[in-house]
Amino acid sequence: AQSVAQPEDQVNVAEGNPLTVKCTYSVSGNPYLFWYVQYPNRGLQFLLKYITGDNLVKGSYGFEAEFNKSQTSFHLKKPSALVSDSALYFCAVRDTGFQKLVFGTGTRLLVSP
Amino acid sequence: GAGVSQSPRYKVAKRGQDVALRCDPISGHVSLFWYQQALGQGPEFLTYFQNEAQLDKSGLPSDRFFAERPEGSVSTLKIQRTQQEDSAVYLCASTLRETDDGYTFGSGTRLTVV
Repeated sequence: AQSVAQPEDQVNVAEGNPLTVKCTYSVSGNPYLFWYVQYPNRGLQFLLKYITGDNLVKGSYGFEAEFNKSQTSFHLKKPSALVSDSALYFCAVRDTGFQKLVFGTGTRLLVSP
Repeated sequence: GAGVSQSPRYKVAKRGQDVALRCDPISGHVSLFWYQQALGQGPEFLTYFQNEAQLDKSGLPSDRFFAERPEGSVSTLKIQRTQQEDSAVYLCASTLRETDDGYTFGSGTRLTVV
């Protein structure tokens, strides 16, 4: 069965500092990995995905994520956080041969001025 | 339209009432998904359509939940005899093909059962 873990309920960072939001996954095949962001009363917005290729994936709004197969991780990163990055972030995985995405429980990112 | 459209945006139902939630996917998108997001939780998969065929309904929590997509475009999620535990945001997503695309989500329908 496919699963995703986001170990931190909340991450606090000061504006201008780098941020990391952690995600680990479990699949039986090759993982397709995604990050989504959710603002209050909004749907999920796609940030980036890893399917194959370079382990460092670049996405929207300056975010990037690093795929680490040995650690089964896909941490979301940004070199310099903005207050407007404050939102709820979800990691998701899709296993080979399956269509549905399985989401983590989410990490709330709070960027202080 | 440019995005996935869901209606109504908010729905309050009395316990025992039937509700129908609508999803208009992006035109031409083959795959359509329904998710349930309880307060403070991540989205949980309910069901998946490829065109008009419902290929996976393993996430539907009970036989009170029913989804259809008769013409391969608009989809309706119906909940019969609503219960308080059905209160959640119901998200619809679509994707062009059944591969590795990032799914496009609608803004959701917030269902409150009182």
